[in-house]
Amino acid sequence: ETGVTQTPRHLVMGMTNKKSLKCEQHLGHNAMYWYKQSAKKPLELMFVYSLEERVENNSVPSRFSPECPNSSHLFLHLHTLQPEDSALYLCASSQDKRGVTDTQYFGPGTRLTVL
Amino acid sequence: AQKVTQAQTEISVVEKEDVTLDCVYETRDTTYYLFWYKQPPSGELVFLIRRNSFDEQNEISGRYSWNFQKSTSSFNFTITASQVVDSAVYFCALSYLSGSARQLTFGSGTQLTVLP
Repeated sequence: ETGVTQTPRHLVMGMTNKKSLKCEQHLGHNAMYWYKQSAKKPLELMFVYSLEERVENNSVPSRFSPECPNSSHLFLHLHTLQPEDSALYLCASSQDKRGVTDTQYFGPGTRLTVL
Repeated sequence: AQKVTQAQTEISVVEKEDVTLDCVYETRDTTYYLFWYKQPPSGELVFLIRRNSFDEQNEISGRYSWNFQKSTSSFNFTITASQVVDSAVYFCALSYLSGSARQLTFGSGTQLTVLP
């Protein structure tokens, strides 16, 4: 496997379900990100983990819960979602060096539909 | 505040035409980075280029070229001799420092359709 992978690629869930999205990066990076991309809206940053520590959460509703057990894996746990949470969820990774921006590389995304 | 504006929502061209995608940004940082990404229908954002604020040299990569002008806060992207495979949504992005982490703010994207 190379780059950034995400599973599942498609997910349909009811509002009472609990599910998790998984992201794995094979680039040796130390920072990982979750973004939400809704129709007709710019990409929204949800969470940032740098060196496995969460540094930003951008006021995301608590029904989204991230987990970063190590620098290669990132999860997004979902529970009691709303139909408006239906979107493409993208994971990205980068090599975070203080004061220096490195490029973020993205996974293929998980297309989530909440019924 | 950081902001990226891509005023062109949709562009449609015929194959082999040249096309320029506009990007205008706002930032108070003196050091910043600009990016272009391509998002084909499959959904994955593909990195195209990164430029830092101290390097205003234009860059060419095959049929792609980028024109960075600090005086007008613009970072425009030109595809020469467009092909059907260039059809995608293109995003311009600006990095900024928030707390201890560098983050990206994206424009709303330009949907490019190249017709055969």
